[in-house]
Amino acid sequence: DGGITQSPKYLFRKEGQNVTLSCEQNLNHDAMYWYRQDPGQGLRLIYYSQIVNDFQKGDIAEGYSVSREKKESFPLTVTSAQKNPTAFYLCASSMNGERQPQHFGDGTRLSIL
Amino acid sequence: GENVEQHPSTLSVQEGDSAVIKCTYSDSASNYFPWYKQELGKRPQLIIDIRSNVGEKKDQRIAVTLNKTAKHFSLHITETQPEDSAVYFCAARDFGNEKLTFGTGTRLTIIP
Repeated sequence: DGGITQSPKYLFRKEGQNVTLSCEQNLNHDAMYWYRQDPGQGLRLIYYSQIVNDFQKGDIAEGYSVSREKKESFPLTVTSAQKNPTAFYLCASSMNGERQPQHFGDGTRLSIL
Repeated sequence: GENVEQHPSTLSVQEGDSAVIKCTYSDSASNYFPWYKQELGKRPQLIIDIRSNVGEKKDQRIAVTLNKTAKHFSLHITETQPEDSAVYFCAARDFGNEKLTFGTGTRLTIIP
């Protein structure tokens, strides 16, 4: 899974601030995903994109935004509207098509200052 | 939408014994079921997956079984070792959909 790079590893957000998490992949995967992980919970889908310039909301999209201008990149912005942003954020990618496995990056841990 | 339930939430087994983690899903159209292992602070890693046209799949000490009628699937780890200690997540994917729905995870502890 070395082909999926998330940065930064740790990020701190001040009140009222937007922050952007980076996700880059060199696996030539079509689809990319953002998940949020909280303690004791599974991975919850924020947004996903199956093709460049197109993306769909997941289960918890409120307070987040994404873009997919390049196949390799799928940045996630945590906006000030997300009132509880402290979590571990994971980016994943896969080939399109049924039953293709998703591969994850190392994650970004976001905390509130 | 799909709903995946995972049990137990924590599991402790003696080294060398077997561990079993069970998941149920709600959507009978789901056709792909991966299992991920996540060590503390690290990325989830795919350890095994099964397609809906197969009832069982094995990879060394790890096996997954699928019962489509009952809509449940299980992870079996035999001859457990300390390095098996981690959180394990099951997931299910809907037919014709790229989305995975994850279970809430099982923290497995292997007791030396």
